Amino acid sequence: GENVEQHPSTLSVQEGDSAVIKCTYSDSASNYFPWYKQELGKGPQLIIDIRSNVGEKKDQRIAVTLNKTAKHFSLHITETQPEDSAVYFCAASMGRALTFGSGTRLQVQP
Amino acid sequence: DAEITQSPRHKITETGRQVTLACHQTWNHNNMFWYRQDLGHGLRLIHYSYGVQDTNKGEVSDGYSVSRSNTEDLPLTLESAASSQTSVYFCASSEVGGGRRETQYFGPGTRLLVL
Repeated sequence: GENVEQHPSTLSVQEGDSAVIKCTYSDSASNYFPWYKQELGKGPQLIIDIRSNVGEKKDQRIAVTLNKTAKHFSLHITETQPEDSAVYFCAASMGRALTFGSGTRLQVQP
Repeated sequence: DAEITQSPRHKITETGRQVTLACHQTWNHNNMFWYRQDLGHGLRLIHYSYGVQDTNKGEVSDGYSVSRSNTEDLPLTLESAASSQTSVYFCASSEVGGGRRETQYFGPGTRLLVL
């Protein structure tokens, strides 16, 4: 089955700096790559996603890049703010079920 | 507004007891999923359903069962609770068809403690 690895497990940045989280996947058949944000005590919430026919996607301060050849994708958050502090999960899918990475705890220091 | 709810939000039970966690969604989504979340493991898929009367095993299905008798509900049953099943459980749903079919919407979670 699919295996998704995510790095780093924790990330601390200063407010206003950029944050990058990286994921690799094992199955070249995966074609959908969402990113979820989870705040304390809540369920994960989709923040951005990308499909395998696209190399990059942006939504305001958030962007995701996909390298199908290397089988890795990354989340980029620019101009970080304290409210960006949360746990972020990447995931990969070949259909309807998702395989998640182990998560990155992002701490934005004011 | 459409939503996905889970109950109870917190549960304490004893080893060997049967426990059922409820999941209810009002989006009329065909696809429903159960995950467990443990530190260092992210979210792992327990069971999923692509429609009424359809159920499938996920990565960590041992000791769990589900049944789907209608579109809105997918209850998760722990047949004989074990301490290893202490975890936070999340239910999710997604629709079938269209460009957004893979997007999963998560419930608020159930925190289960097995003593």
